Amino acid sequence: DAGVTQSPTHLIKTRGQQVTLRCSPKSGHDTVSWYQQALGQGPQFIFQYYEEEERQRGNFPDRFSGHQFPNYSSELNVNALLLGDSALYLCASNSQESSFRGYTFGSGTRLTVV
Amino acid sequence: GQQLNQSPQSMFIQEGEDVSMNCTSSSIFNTWLWYKQDPGEGPVLLIALYKAGELTSNGRLTAQFGITRKDSFLNISASIPSDVGIYFCAGGNTGGFKTIFGAGTRLFVKA
Repeated sequence: DAGVTQSPTHLIKTRGQQVTLRCSPKSGHDTVSWYQQALGQGPQFIFQYYEEEERQRGNFPDRFSGHQFPNYSSELNVNALLLGDSALYLCASNSQESSFRGYTFGSGTRLTVV
Repeated sequence: GQQLNQSPQSMFIQEGEDVSMNCTSSSIFNTWLWYKQDPGEGPVLLIALYKAGELTSNGRLTAQFGITRKDSFLNISASIPSDVGIYFCAGGNTGGFKTIFGAGTRLFVKA
């Protein structure tokens, strides 16, 4: 049973560029949340997708956007990259049908902006 | 916004010692979660708590959901070298909306 899969694992981008990160949730999960984890910090909530819609958003600018597809997979897009966007981006999934038992996290995408 | 205060920031202990860490919040949560993160990996769920006052164990780990719903603690008994890592508390609500994470406790175990 595959867990949460994220791609790519590492990425280097230049300031001002755009990036797309991808996530496949754990089998049986229909909700995807994205987190940003700066070095030495805890994960910070970006947004959550359910039924192909963004249903809750953290304190992140509009440069951060996302999408959820009918197969529950998700993308995180970041436009006009800043040096401060360098971080580990974590995707987490859970199921709405069962009681919340905590997220299952992927191993993350390490984004470096130079 | 909601914030979790996790303490201590780091701990250096000898193998075999017991460890205690805690998490407090100004907000009420319906769910408290404890995760462990190893280098290069995503956080892995250790214990989930759903009811105020609940005390739950998972092997050598024990966690409690505070009566006020604003705090939780995690104890690790008889620590071993593989306990090294970063431990995060997280507060959540019904349906898994916007779970908030603490800044983590970094645990170092000396053999």
